[in-house]
Amino acid sequence: EAQVTQNPRYLITVTGKKLTVTCSQNMNHEYMSWYRQDPGLGLRQIYYSMNVEVTDKGDVPEGYKVSRKEKRNFPLILESPSPNQTSLYFCASSPQGAGANVLTFGAGSRLTVL
Amino acid sequence: GEDVEQSLFLSVREGDSSVINCTYTDSSSTYLYWYKQEPGAGLQLLTYIFSNMDMKQDQRLTVLLNKKDKHLSLRIADTQTGDSAIYFCAENPGGSYIPTFGRGTSLIVHP
Repeated sequence: EAQVTQNPRYLITVTGKKLTVTCSQNMNHEYMSWYRQDPGLGLRQIYYSMNVEVTDKGDVPEGYKVSRKEKRNFPLILESPSPNQTSLYFCASSPQGAGANVLTFGAGSRLTVL
Repeated sequence: GEDVEQSLFLSVREGDSSVINCTYTDSSSTYLYWYKQEPGAGLQLLTYIFSNMDMKQDQRLTVLLNKKDKHLSLRIADTQTGDSAIYFCAENPGGSYIPTFGRGTSLIVHP
């Protein structure tokens, strides 16, 4: 089944404890992206990647890192989490091409930083 | 998300039609999208429309595009409780691969 898989789905952590949210897609998509969703603010893009070893900042990159060493994986790294990073995180991927380039989203990772 | 605007809430009675509106800013957007987010889940594509079309119909869904006014709407006929969700409008400015999303409209369907 074509899908984007995120782990963990739920995580409670404490301020300053490094964590990684993994994202993997099995559709051979070039484009991958991380979003955070907060009430009243909609989806805000954190980082995106157009292909392997190519990453760029989105609208809210502060406090986050990403890497794209392989095409299928795009982990989100919080080196020193803070409470304002408590949020619902989504990974998404899409093909690159002349068509509609529809995004496929993961199920989400709910992160709470105490 | 400020480039794509939508109202935050819409409440309708079961069986009525729902119309969710969206305005966007980039006239060069090639495609415009509607994504649906059900409670506790990620977003899923509901439908999209190519910019040279005025209307697209798919069963209970009708998408209308007014390029002159940069206005996109999603009409759901015979709205059911299962349609309760957040609906996101999105554009791909300049035909890029990086979509811009609105803040989402929460559709509440009551009996």
